[in-house]
Amino acid sequence: QKEVEQDPGPLSVPEGAIVSLNCTYSNSAFQYFMWYRQYSRKGPELLMYTYSSGNKEDGRFTAQVDKSSKYISLFIRDSQPSDSATYLCALQTSGSARQLTFGSGTQLTVLP
Amino acid sequence: KAGVTQTPRYLIKTRGQQVTLSCSPISGHRSVSWYQQTPGQGLQFLFEYFSETQRNKGNFPGRFSGRQFSNSRSEMNVSTLELGDSALYLCASRFLRDQRTDTQYFGPGTRLTVL
Repeated sequence: QKEVEQDPGPLSVPEGAIVSLNCTYSNSAFQYFMWYRQYSRKGPELLMYTYSSGNKEDGRFTAQVDKSSKYISLFIRDSQPSDSATYLCALQTSGSARQLTFGSGTQLTVLP
Repeated sequence: KAGVTQTPRYLIKTRGQQVTLSCSPISGHRSVSWYQQTPGQGLQFLFEYFSETQRNKGNFPGRFSGRQFSNSRSEMNVSTLELGDSALYLCASRFLRDQRTDTQYFGPGTRLTVL
């Protein structure tokens, strides 16, 4: 079993829809939670960064973390065609060995 | 502030050759990490360098190596290339001061094709 499991998609939604992207994890040592967006042939771009359970909002994006269930989500409101990309969750432990462990990514297409 | 830069952006090599990829971090960032991204395995951590020292290493064979220079620039080397080494190689930098804020910022990657 992988440390981080991400819904594989692909996901296709109409413009204006609410999108929900999810990851589950098994390692309780993960303390920091990130969502990256990656456009085709580009490097990942940091979207959201949280280090506690609860919700964090930034514009149309909301990151949700439930440490008790080991479940994280990214919600995109009023989705736009420009949101079409691959979304990767990334988790990080605390301490000296703080490398990122990525989910496999969900490919999202927002249709105009 | 300029982002992470990687050179070259595209590279074609044949099996058995070796390759060196370069990464310049964001100014002031002292940590550089390397990742391999493939459709089958996703993003996998290769290694991280900080102050010219490797501080963390992923589960890759010894053919994959790296180094960091005093100006924080980093290079990654892959020797005896195999077809399976075809991938997007990503470099990421971070300041590495406060673990609550020192997130990683990625470069555009070098796409390596091994024929």
